[in-house]
Amino acid sequence: AQKVTQAQTEISVVEKEDVTLDCVYETRDTTYYLFWYKQPPSGELVFLIRRNSFDEQNEISGRYSWNFQKSTSSFNFTITASQVVDSAVYFCAPRGGAASKLTFGTGTRLQVTL
Amino acid sequence: GAGVSQSPSNKVTEKGKDVELRCDPISGHTALYWYRQSLGQGLEFLIYFQGNSAPDKSGLPSDRFSAERTGGSVSTLTIQRTQQEDSAVYLCASEDRAYGNTIYFGEGSWLTVV
Repeated sequence: AQKVTQAQTEISVVEKEDVTLDCVYETRDTTYYLFWYKQPPSGELVFLIRRNSFDEQNEISGRYSWNFQKSTSSFNFTITASQVVDSAVYFCAPRGGAASKLTFGTGTRLQVTL
Repeated sequence: GAGVSQSPSNKVTEKGKDVELRCDPISGHTALYWYRQSLGQGLEFLIYFQGNSAPDKSGLPSDRFSAERTGGSVSTLTIQRTQQEDSAVYLCASEDRAYGNTIYFGEGSWLTVV
């Protein structure tokens, strides 16, 4: 089973600021996957990124980047130059293996203002 | 080619009535998931289908809840004798194993029990 902690309940930033969302997970699986989803006010869960436990290379995709540190069980997500449209609830979700479900954290509400 | 489709998008029902929620996954996706998101609560796993069978139904909260999937495609979540605590957004998701474990969500069915 997986467990995930998103300690930041709510974050407010001004547009163009960078913001990092924290995620700490627990798992007993040796192979697992880590996801970030975004839930805008419309309610749909939008897939953002997926990372495999055996690949710790961190990447940048447009304004998004992530920092996966297996040693500290953290999978942090950064938005560079935030925009108002980034306002949403962001969920981190580990997954134990191909046949297992996503386990969601409680989410971090991001508010980006002008 | 559309995403995961759910119906109805909104449903108001009287306490004690039965409701059916429908999910049409992305074409060709073999795995299907149901989640529930109550106001102020996190995302709660309900049931997972692989094809037409449900290897994991551990999240169904009571025997009033059931789900089926036919033809490896459409799934129906049924709630019998609805209670006010059943009010939530019910989210369906599907996954194409061939593309490696990314789960895509629908827009959800908002259920209100009055």
